[in-house]
Formats: sequence, structure tokens, C-alpha cells
Amino acid sequence: EDQVTQSPEALRLQEGESSSLNCSYTVSGLRGLFWYRQDPGKGPEFLFTLYSAGEEKEKERLKATLTKKESFLHITAPKPEDSATYLCAVQDLNTGFQKLVFGTGTRLLVSP
Amino acid sequence: EPEVTQTPSHQVTQMGQEVILRCVPISNHLYFYWYRQILGQKVEFLVSFYNNEISEKSEIFDDQFSVERPDGSNFTLKIRSTKLEDSAMYFCASKGTGGLGTQYFGPGTRLLVL
Repeated sequence: EDQVTQSPEALRLQEGESSSLNCSYTVSGLRGLFWYRQDPGKGPEFLFTLYSAGEEKEKERLKATLTKKESFLHITAPKPEDSATYLCAVQDLNTGFQKLVFGTGTRLLVSP
Repeated sequence: EPEVTQTPSHQVTQMGQEVILRCVPISNHLYFYWYRQILGQKVEFLVSFYNNEISEKSEIFDDQFSVERPDGSNFTLKIRSTKLEDSAMYFCASKGTGGLGTQYFGPGTRLLVL
């Protein structure tokens, strides 16, 4: 069974204090790993897709990386507007490639 | 920028009543999905829909649930006889291409069953 575990559950940072969020996954074959941002009461907002180990994607203060067992979302010099829940999801190549399997997310709070 | 829209934003219903949640996927997208998120829990897959038929469904998606694409723009989720445990946020998502495409989510419908 596909599993996605995210850590930490919650993270509090000061503005400008860089950190990383972790997503560990177990799949029989990885089709893709996705990062989404979710604000309270809203739908997941797409950030990145990673397909193979060693791949990296960047967008403003965010950078996502992928290994064979985990992915990291690095946040450099975060601002208060980066406060949100960050969700990691995987698509399994071998057990129904359409569905996304999500982790429980990391709640990030950035204080000014 | 194209986006997925959902109506209503909030729905309150009595247990045993039927509800229909509506979604307008991104134009020209071919793959459609419903997910749900119970308060404080993870986002869970319900069903995927392509070429006017269900392509995959989860164990949650039992006979009480159905999906339909009644016209060229809408995608609906029907719950025939709601239960208390159906209370959740329901998200519609759409994807343009097969395989490696990205699923884009709507803002959700918050369903409360009393």
C-alpha cells in the first residue's frame, strides 16, 4: 500500500529563517511526486511535480528535491505570506496511476 | 488563468438527504477527480473519471456515491443518502493530459450533515 509521511507536523519559523520540510514515501513504482500548498478552508494549490531521483524544481523562495525514498521542500528566507499547510502526494506507477495519495501535511507558520 | 470552480461553497443537509456537488473543470481538460478531506485529516481520493466513465475509485466510493458529466462543462458528485460521516470538504480536480499531467484543484465544497 502506498504511504506518504510528512514531517514535521508543524513548523514555526521567524521571517528569514530558512528550513526544510520532509516527505517520505513508499510506492511500488513512482510515477510522480507532487507538492501542493493549502491555505485554511481552501483547495490545494499546485507547486511542483518531480518525476525522478535527483530532480530539483525552484519557484521563488521554494525548492523541491527528490531522492528514491523522500522529497524535501526547502524554504529560503521565508516571509509571513508563506504560512500555509504544505502537502506532499505521490502517484504510483503500478497501482492505479490516476489517484494522488497525500500525506497529512506540514503546517508552516512564519512570524514577522 | 483558468481554474476549477465548485458550487456551492457550503452545503448543510439532514442525514438521509441527497446532495449534489457541482464542479466546472478547466476547459479542455479530459480527466476529472473527486477527493475529500475530513476536518484535520489528509486529502483522500474518491474517484477518477475519463471518457464518460469511472476509471478508478476508492473503497470510500460505495453505492451511495455517483458521478456524472451531464454536459460539456459540468462534473457532479451525488451522495444519495448522506450520513454524518460524509461531513467533509469535497474537492474537484481536473487534469489536461494522461500520465504525467498535474491535477488542479478547486476551492472545495464544505458539506455538513446534521
